[in-house]
Amino acid sequence: RKEVEQDPGPFNVPEGATVAFNCTYSNSASQSFFWYRQDCRKEPKLLMSVYSSGNEDGRFTAQLNRASQYISLLIRDSKLSDSATYLCVVNVAGGGADGLTFGKGTHLIIQP
Amino acid sequence: EPEVTQTPSHQVTQMGQEVILRCVPISNHLYFYWYRQILGQKVEFLVSFYNNEISEKSEIFDDQFSVERPDGSNFTLKIRSTKLEDSAMYFCARGGSGANVLTFGAGSRLTVL
Repeated sequence: RKEVEQDPGPFNVPEGATVAFNCTYSNSASQSFFWYRQDCRKEPKLLMSVYSSGNEDGRFTAQLNRASQYISLLIRDSKLSDSATYLCVVNVAGGGADGLTFGKGTHLIIQP
Repeated sequence: EPEVTQTPSHQVTQMGQEVILRCVPISNHLYFYWYRQILGQKVEFLVSFYNNEISEKSEIFDDQFSVERPDGSNFTLKIRSTKLEDSAMYFCARGGSGANVLTFGAGSRLTVL
């Protein structure tokens, strides 16, 4: 079973639309959750951390569902510049960054 | 100015050759990491380095790999005898404000022929 699983997409979405995708994780002891963004052939960059209570940063909203072991990312009013691969990242309790497990990513394409 | 600078940006080498990838963090951090990403695959942890010593390493980080911080600044990843399957993007990262938050360098693309 994959540790962190994401729908690879691509998700083709018109500009201005709302898009959401999920990520499931297998280790119930996982404590820290993140969404990173990766542009083509570039390094991953932290988009947002995901807190138990959920969190919002502008057009982006992240949610955590511990019971079902998934996290979600919602992007409202999508922009062309949102086109990227979104990486779900999970860390096991007590682990430092060496415990980070990355998903393969969900590819998002915003179309004009 | 990037917080983590990596060189070279791209290196092509013959199978069996030694490769050294370099990373220079701008600010003074104690935690450093090497990750790799094979084309089309997920980002994978290789090794963490804390206070000038290896802290953790993954199964990928076998005897062919080594890390050093020779002058207290540059952080290097050495692959002694490259294999075709070592072809990947290698990312250096430093720990951020939280231990789990990483700031990656732009990466070094290694192509083994």
